[in-house]
Amino acid sequence: DVKVTQSSRYLVKRTGEKVFLECVQDMDHENMFWYRQDPGLGLRLIYFSYDVKMKEKGDIPEGYSVSREKKERFSLILESASTNQTSMYLCASSPFSGRAYEQYFGPGTRLTVT
Amino acid sequence: AQSVTQLGSHVSVSEGALVLLRCNYSSSVPPYLFWYVQYPNQGLQLLLKYTSAATLVKGINGFEAEFKKSETSFHLTKPSAHMSDAAEYFCAVSGLNSGYSTLTFGKGTMLLVSP
Repeated sequence: DVKVTQSSRYLVKRTGEKVFLECVQDMDHENMFWYRQDPGLGLRLIYFSYDVKMKEKGDIPEGYSVSREKKERFSLILESASTNQTSMYLCASSPFSGRAYEQYFGPGTRLTVT
Repeated sequence: AQSVTQLGSHVSVSEGALVLLRCNYSSSVPPYLFWYVQYPNQGLQLLLKYTSAATLVKGINGFEAEFKKSETSFHLTKPSAHMSDAAEYFCAVSGLNSGYSTLTFGKGTMLLVSP
């Protein structure tokens, strides 16, 4: 079974802090994704990566950056957390770049910024 | 560009009743479509997917969906609801972002099942 793990289930940070959210997948998948999930808005893509050290912006990249130094690990960085970044963050991976391939999701990190 | 519309943010059914969750899509290329389920405090789990083979797709837990090109729909059904089906359901369409495959999700439908 594919396993996608996220470093924390719950996280509380203060406004202005630098926040790192870590995601690891164990199936040698090429592609990795970061989403945020908010009630009534569904999932929105923040960034994705199709290879080590490569990244592409999704639909809402403002206020976020990412890092992929190893194939299995994809980090989401909030340079200076703000209260409007309070959300559920979901990481996903998929094996190839073709459109027919589903994504496998981690359990999510619920981030609260106070 | 692609988009997904899920009709109804909440759907309530009684245990044993038919479940119907609606999804309409828009896609500039032949669509690949997915249904995911999210149980409370968990990530998303794939229920089923349509990738241009059979138009009636069977998934896990007794769910199925039918792709109708003329209606641009991919509605999810289950003949008889169980209490354990209570969850949030997301429809998604696969598209291209900078030449790479990404998913665009609908806003989700919360399924409530009453005894």
